[in-house]
Amino acid sequence: GENVEQHPSTLSVQEGDSAVIKCTYSDSASNYFPWYKQELGKRPQLIIDIRSNVGEKKDQRIAVTLNKTAKHFSLHITETQPEDSAVYFCAAGGRYKLSFGAGTTVTVRA
Amino acid sequence: SAVISQKPSRDICQRGTSLTIQCQVDSQVTMMFWYRQQPGQSLTLIATANQGSEATYESGFVIDKFPISRPNLTFSTLTVSNMSPEDSSIYLCSVEGLGTANTGELFFGEGSRLTVL
Repeated sequence: GENVEQHPSTLSVQEGDSAVIKCTYSDSASNYFPWYKQELGKRPQLIIDIRSNVGEKKDQRIAVTLNKTAKHFSLHITETQPEDSAVYFCAAGGRYKLSFGAGTTVTVRA
Repeated sequence: SAVISQKPSRDICQRGTSLTIQCQVDSQVTMMFWYRQQPGQSLTLIATANQGSEATYESGFVIDKFPISRPNLTFSTLTVSNMSPEDSSIYLCSVEGLGTANTGELFFGEGSRLTVL
């Protein structure tokens, strides 16, 4: 099955700086790579996703890059704000089957 | 998007008992998924529930421990049987989004936080 590794496990950044989270996956058949944000006590919510036919996708301050050859993908958050503090999960897989990374706890310091 | 309601939101249970979690979706969906999130951990897929057929369980999860029902296209239940403290987790119901692109995005319920004493 798919194995997703996520780094770092914790990330502390100064407000306004950038945050980068990296994930690797094992199954070359995976073609869907979403990122979920989970605030304390809340449900995970999709913030951005990318498919295997695309190398990069951006949505305002958030971007995701995918390198299918190397089997890794990354989340980039620019101009971080306090409300970006949360746990972020990457996932990889296909329709009906996603494997999640272990999560990254992001803390934005004011 | 989809609105997903889970009940109970939280419960404290005694060892050896069983608890059934309900998941109601506001639209008809083919597949419903049950995930477990242990304290401070990631999300692990327990099983996929398809209406009218037996649920498909992931490695490490068995029907006797986590029986699932899927009586119609908007409802599913997950039972955690013969609970032990190791079953203390958040259990999340999820469904795939119904956008025109059928993107595969998962929507999650608020979760049911179980504490087993």
